[in-house]
Amino acid sequence: EAGVTQFPSHSVIEKGQTVTLRCDPISGHDNLYWYRRVMGKEIKFLLHFVKESKQDESGMPNNRFLAERTGGTYSTLKVQPAELEDSGVYFCASSQVSWDPNEKLFFGSGTQLSVL
Amino acid sequence: AQSVTQLGSHVSVSEGALVLLRCNYSSSVPPYLFWYVQYPNQGLQLLLKYTTGATLVKGINGFEAEFKKSETSFHLTKPSAHMSDAAEYFCAVSGYTGGFKTIFGAGTRLFVKA
Repeated sequence: EAGVTQFPSHSVIEKGQTVTLRCDPISGHDNLYWYRRVMGKEIKFLLHFVKESKQDESGMPNNRFLAERTGGTYSTLKVQPAELEDSGVYFCASSQVSWDPNEKLFFGSGTQLSVL
Repeated sequence: AQSVTQLGSHVSVSEGALVLLRCNYSSSVPPYLFWYVQYPNQGLQLLLKYTTGATLVKGINGFEAEFKKSETSFHLTKPSAHMSDAAEYFCAVSGYTGGFKTIFGAGTRLFVKA
């Protein structure tokens, strides 16, 4: 069974440019989460999809960030325009059910975003 | 609201020595507690979790953690460190707070010396 895959693994862009990160969850997982880790700090929640619907987007930093999950399969996270403080590792995770708080999350290996 | 504090961003032990990684949590609802591990160039993997019942939880690779409600702690231990345990470890908490999401700590990087 394929795990959660994220693309690209690394992205280096200049301030003001646009970047789109992609996450493919495990097949059949309705729940998809985006997290971000700024260097050395905690892994912070960004948002949660249940199928194609945004269940919770309370962690999205500002309106430069746009997440989509068309068709309830893969998801994209677009940053436009990117700022220096957006640098960090963006993790995607998926799980089968969302009503069970002890549900195990399956993580991708992350996208390292560097904004210069 | 929920939060997690991991004491020590870096911990170094000798091979064969006890591993102790500290985690304290805050939660306004009954907590579910987790330890995840991240090896280089990989995603986070679940080591163990506490839901309800037995407060001493055993996980993979010989790790275990004890839920102590009175101390709001969930420290991770392993009796004897192995070189392959070198990784970054994240403590996390979840629970129903109007929705479900997992809150992570800042991580502790474990170094194992030969």
